[in-house]
Amino acid sequence: SQQGEEDPQALSIQEGENATMNCSYKTSINNLQWYRQNSGRGLVHLILIRSNEREKHSGRLRVTLDTSKKSSSLLITASRAADTASYFCATGGYQKVTFGIGTKLQVIP
Amino acid sequence: DVKVTQSSRYLVKRTGEKVFLECVQDMDHENMFWYRQDPGLGLRLIYFSYDVKMKEKGDIPEGYSVSREKKERFSLILESASTNQTSMYLCASSLNTGTSGLKQFFGPGTRLTVL
Repeated sequence: SQQGEEDPQALSIQEGENATMNCSYKTSINNLQWYRQNSGRGLVHLILIRSNEREKHSGRLRVTLDTSKKSSSLLITASRAADTASYFCATGGYQKVTFGIGTKLQVIP
Repeated sequence: DVKVTQSSRYLVKRTGEKVFLECVQDMDHENMFWYRQDPGLGLRLIYFSYDVKMKEKGDIPEGYSVSREKKERFSLILESASTNQTSMYLCASSLNTGTSGLKQFFGPGTRLTVL
């Protein structure tokens, strides 16, 4: 079963613009993670936010978490062509992590 | 850096063949996972292992089995491949404790086509 659902499913922006992706989930969580997948490759961990955190930054990435709305957003600022990838949110613990279907981001140079 | 390797990037097999997909990690991680990824369905967990010789079914274990004889190696076995098992297969590993343990490290994937 899918815990997280990303929105939009696809996003196309110009280089330099900001990209925002959203994730909604159904049950209460202890943490939420975001991963990136370049075309035809494995996933790479980007950032983890705990349920008691509201916002977290890592370089050009900003993640917010609203546990009352069961949602999270990933903002990529000043996007680059190299940010073109699929982005997944994931929830769970050490042994069972559930991934969403992903948002496909295209950054046009 | 953690490295997770998978035995093949691309594999073509015939219906009914026995298929072995191998995954090796080099960071002494306790947990290892096999997922399949299909368009519109995202990643779905097939099996995971939290220790040598230990395994747990994921969401879609039917038609698959796994083997973990050594800590660094986790194999996925398709006993009799079928066309509906054509997919991208991703292996991952993680620790079992601490915040770091929540983060999974993925291999590059094996794109399996069953004809």
